[in-house]
Amino acid sequence: EAGVAQSPRYKIIEKRQSVAFWCNPISGHATLYWYQQILGQGPKLLIQFQNNGVVDDSQLPKDRFSAERLKGVDSTLKIQPAKLEDSAVYLCASSLERQGNGYTFGSGTRLTVV
Amino acid sequence: EDQVTQSPEALRLQEGESSSLNCSYTVSGLRGLFWYRQDPGKGPEFLFTLYSAGEEKEKERLKATLTKKESFLHITAPKPEDSATYLCALRSYNTDKLIFGTGTRLQVFP
Repeated sequence: EAGVAQSPRYKIIEKRQSVAFWCNPISGHATLYWYQQILGQGPKLLIQFQNNGVVDDSQLPKDRFSAERLKGVDSTLKIQPAKLEDSAVYLCASSLERQGNGYTFGSGTRLTVV
Repeated sequence: EDQVTQSPEALRLQEGESSSLNCSYTVSGLRGLFWYRQDPGKGPEFLFTLYSAGEEKEKERLKATLTKKESFLHITAPKPEDSATYLCALRSYNTDKLIFGTGTRLQVFP
């Protein structure tokens, strides 16, 4: 089966600019996650969707980050305006069920804010 | 607060030199303890899930074990292709999300 697709692979922007990341999960996977992985750290959940509804966005900095999953398939994560501390890899993952036995991650988007 | 601590941060092994990676955790109610492998420039790749103390799972040269406070990832006779960062994560009964540790960066030299 095809894996989780993410684009772009790399993005460099200046602080205060905006950026958007795209994710296409594995076909049929109802649960989609966005994680942030800062260099040298483990991934941290930003937001979890079940179909097109939000399950958990408690750690999403809502003053600058937003995410949507229209039609319960693809998802977009946006940052506006970006700060230097947003430099990280943004990972998308999907699973068949909410309590699935291990997610499948995409390769991520590496964001550098200068 | 649910928390995961991994040690060591980095580990260098000679090919064939067996060792173990440690994952200590605190959790209100454990629903699952996960191990992932992450290669540079890639997302984490699922290895194992353990659910209860005493459980063990194996895959090739890797064996994961679980106690009430720790999990170990044992690597037997490692090869250079086992070089990667190994991440431990837990899921509690309170949430669906995985809480990750900072990982152990393993390097295996020929």
